[in-house]
Amino acid sequence: SAVISQKPSRDICQRGTSLTIQCQVDSQVTMMFWYRQQPGQSLTLIATANQGSEATYESGFVIDKFPISRPNLTFSTLTVSNMSPEDSSIYLCSVEDLTKSGNTIYFGEGSWLTVV
Amino acid sequence: KNQVEQSPQSLIILEGKNCTLQCNYTVSPFSNLRWYKQDTGRGPVSLTIMTFSENTKSNGRYTATLDADTKQSSLHITASQLSDSASYICVVSPTGGGADGLTFGKGTHLIIQP
Repeated sequence: SAVISQKPSRDICQRGTSLTIQCQVDSQVTMMFWYRQQPGQSLTLIATANQGSEATYESGFVIDKFPISRPNLTFSTLTVSNMSPEDSSIYLCSVEDLTKSGNTIYFGEGSWLTVV
Repeated sequence: KNQVEQSPQSLIILEGKNCTLQCNYTVSPFSNLRWYKQDTGRGPVSLTIMTFSENTKSNGRYTATLDADTKQSSLHITASQLSDSASYICVVSPTGGGADGLTFGKGTHLIIQP
């Protein structure tokens, strides 16, 4: 199984600042995914991070607000820019393991951001 | 629009009792359905994954069922333990089954009381 480490696990951020979340995987993966989970809501896909190319953003999410880096096959970062209280959420990194039948999907422990 | 509806929204049961959580979906065409457990403040952890041809899948005290005709799934928890207190999320994949097309339910928040 893939082991995913996310940093930070929690943070309290000031309005207007930016924060970068790191995601490290213990094996090489083609695609990494970034999700947002607002309080009481389901997970929403922000973008798919591919190594060597620009991230693919879902409707409602833009690169200026959520820039993503994917420098290699085991690491990605998501930046939440110019934060407002509406950005208070859990941000989750996810990868897909295609080596197992049923393509198991793994999630990191999440980064719980509170914007004040 | 693909949707996944879970019920109940929340549930409180006594330790040792059984419970069943429901998931209805409108995702079509359908590839597979997953159940995840998410402890408060943590990332989701996979419990089961079923393709459209599977009717049931067990993982210890967790048993998931799937009726692809009625587009319904259930997660049955047997002999509940305090550590089962968590949110349980139903996730459905369209054909292709990849991680970039998932539809998530809002989850059922389960509380086990001693």
